[in-house]
Amino acid sequence: DVKVTQSSRYLVKRTGEKVFLECVQDMDHENMFWYRQDPGLGLRLIYFSYDVKMKEKGDIPEGYSVSREKKERFSLILESASTNQTSMYLCASSRTQGIGNQPQHFGDGTRLSIL
Amino acid sequence: KQEVTQIPAALSVPEGENLVLNCSFTDSAIYNLQWFRQDPGKGLTSLLLIQSSQREQTSGRLNASLDKSSGRSTLYIAASQPGDSATYLCAVSDYKLSFGAGTTVTVRA
Repeated sequence: DVKVTQSSRYLVKRTGEKVFLECVQDMDHENMFWYRQDPGLGLRLIYFSYDVKMKEKGDIPEGYSVSREKKERFSLILESASTNQTSMYLCASSRTQGIGNQPQHFGDGTRLSIL
Repeated sequence: KQEVTQIPAALSVPEGENLVLNCSFTDSAIYNLQWFRQDPGKGLTSLLLIQSSQREQTSGRLNASLDKSSGRSTLYIAASQPGDSATYLCAVSDYKLSFGAGTTVTVRA
């Protein structure tokens, strides 16, 4: 079974802090994704990566950056955390063969609170 | 921009009844459609993926249909059980996933 592991289930940080969310997958997937999930807004794509050191903006990249130095690890960075970034963050991975053709597998999520 | 709608937003049924969950999308140029299950406070579990060339997929008590031309998919869950209580999300892929808001299902024992 595919395993996507997010480093923290719950995280509390202060406004202005630099925040790192880590995601690791164990199935050698080429593609990795970061989403946030908010009540009434559903899941929205922040960034995705289709290869090491490659990244693409999703629908809501403002205030975020990402890093993919190794194939199995995809990090989401909040450069200067703000209260409107309080949310549930979900990481996912998938095989390539046409980025849209393979199922995405999700981690358990990180519930981030910015105070 | 792809818009995905799920109706109803919530559903409550007695145990044993069949469940019918609906998903509609605005742009039929998709690669596939995926149905997920989400338990409270947890991530998403993939249930079924239907490629754009397929009409349906089945897994155990679950059956999903896809009518790409009309922009609709339906997830059927046969003989529902209390363990089926969760939020069900559909997502369409045109290189990235666009999600619906989900249908929250409660199966009463």
